[in-house]
Amino acid sequence: NAGVTQTPKFRVLKTGQSMTLLCAQDMNHEYMYWYRQDPGMGLRLIHYSVGEGTTAKGEVPDGYNVSRLKKQNFLLGLESAAPSQTSVYFCAASFVRGGGRDQPQHFGDGTRLSIL
Amino acid sequence: QKEVEQDPGPLSVPEGAIVSLNCTYSNSAFQYFMWYRQYSRKGPELLMYTYSSGNKEDGRFTAQVDKSSKYISLFIRDSQPSDSATYLCATNTGNQFYFGTGTSLTVIP
Repeated sequence: NAGVTQTPKFRVLKTGQSMTLLCAQDMNHEYMYWYRQDPGMGLRLIHYSVGEGTTAKGEVPDGYNVSRLKKQNFLLGLESAAPSQTSVYFCAASFVRGGGRDQPQHFGDGTRLSIL
Repeated sequence: QKEVEQDPGPLSVPEGAIVSLNCTYSNSAFQYFMWYRQYSRKGPELLMYTYSSGNKEDGRFTAQVDKSSKYISLFIRDSQPSDSATYLCATNTGNQFYFGTGTSLTVIP
């Protein structure tokens, strides 16, 4: 049981390039989330989805787009990468909204992204 | 003011010590509180979850919430080297989730 799988694990981009981060879950969870984790900032929610075909903005959505065309996949896109987007990106999935009644958010192991 | 504040440490203790990790939060409307453990180069994993005030115990771990002072704590008894990790406190309201910056803990054998 893989849980939440993120690809790629590492990537280096040049400023202005675009890329897509893929998150796949095999738990049939409805809710999926994208976070970024930066030193001294903690985890910050970028976008989330409450089901197939739905997306919503989190705390820091600017510069990112997402899509949830299939229930098991949640894609995070950077259209024009900037150095400020250098971070570790985590995807999470939960059966219900994370934090409710012992239904935890299951996290992937992250994508380390550097923008030069 | 950030929604959740957490002392980043680092914290270093000898094996067998009692560890106390603490966070404060700003919004009295928060009701769900979580502690996550994150090993190096891994994603966070849920360790403890509490609702409203009070204590919750799970083995060597105890989570405590004091809503009157907006203070949440995680206690680790008989700490082990395998407890060495970064511990994140978190809370949520609706679909917005707020995490502390994490406290790095090292348990020395």
